[in-house]
Amino acid sequence: EAGVVQSPRYKIIEKKQPVAFWCNPISGHNTLYWYRQNLGQGPELLIRYENEEAVDDSQLPKDRFSAERLKGVDSTLKIQPAELGDSAVYLCASSDRTGRTGELFFGEGSRLTVL
Amino acid sequence: AQRVTQPEKLLSVFKGAPVELKCNYSYSGSPELFWYVQYSRQRLQLLLRHISRESIKGFTADLNKGETSFHLKKPFAQEEDSAMYYCALGNRDDKIIFGKGTRLHILP
Repeated sequence: EAGVVQSPRYKIIEKKQPVAFWCNPISGHNTLYWYRQNLGQGPELLIRYENEEAVDDSQLPKDRFSAERLKGVDSTLKIQPAELGDSAVYLCASSDRTGRTGELFFGEGSRLTVL
Repeated sequence: AQRVTQPEKLLSVFKGAPVELKCNYSYSGSPELFWYVQYSRQRLQLLLRHISRESIKGFTADLNKGETSFHLKKPFAQEEDSAMYYCALGNRDDKIIFGKGTRLHILP
């Protein structure tokens, strides 16, 4: 089992450019999370999916961020246009929600640098 | 509001000494508390959760609802315990938020 797979691992772009991150969760996990982790901070939730439905996107900056989870499996997080403050590690996690709150399994993250 | 506070950014402890990483939370409902750990060059992973009431790698954590705390403890620190530790709070809607983390540095 490969675990949660994210790509790319690293991305360097200039401000105002678009960028996209991809996540493949653990097979059978119906809950998928995107977190953003700034340097020296803990992960901050951006969006949570239950299957293909975004059930919590209250922290997603919708003017420039978008996400989708077609067919309830893979997910893509997009930023367009990127700003300097978007430099961070973008983490994807999945869960099978055993019990009320399931354990989160994290990917290795996608480190974004905006110049 | 749902909030997790880890007051220490860095904690340095000598090998063999006791460890206590502090975590306080704010939540009006019945919380689920977790400790996640990130070792160097590894992904973030669950260490333990309060409902399991188990000891993982010698670490334990007790939920104290009166003090709204979930401190992580280990009686004798080992060098391999050096890592970033994050306290996390889950609510009834499966929203899981994290504290800012504490870096534990075990001195030889």
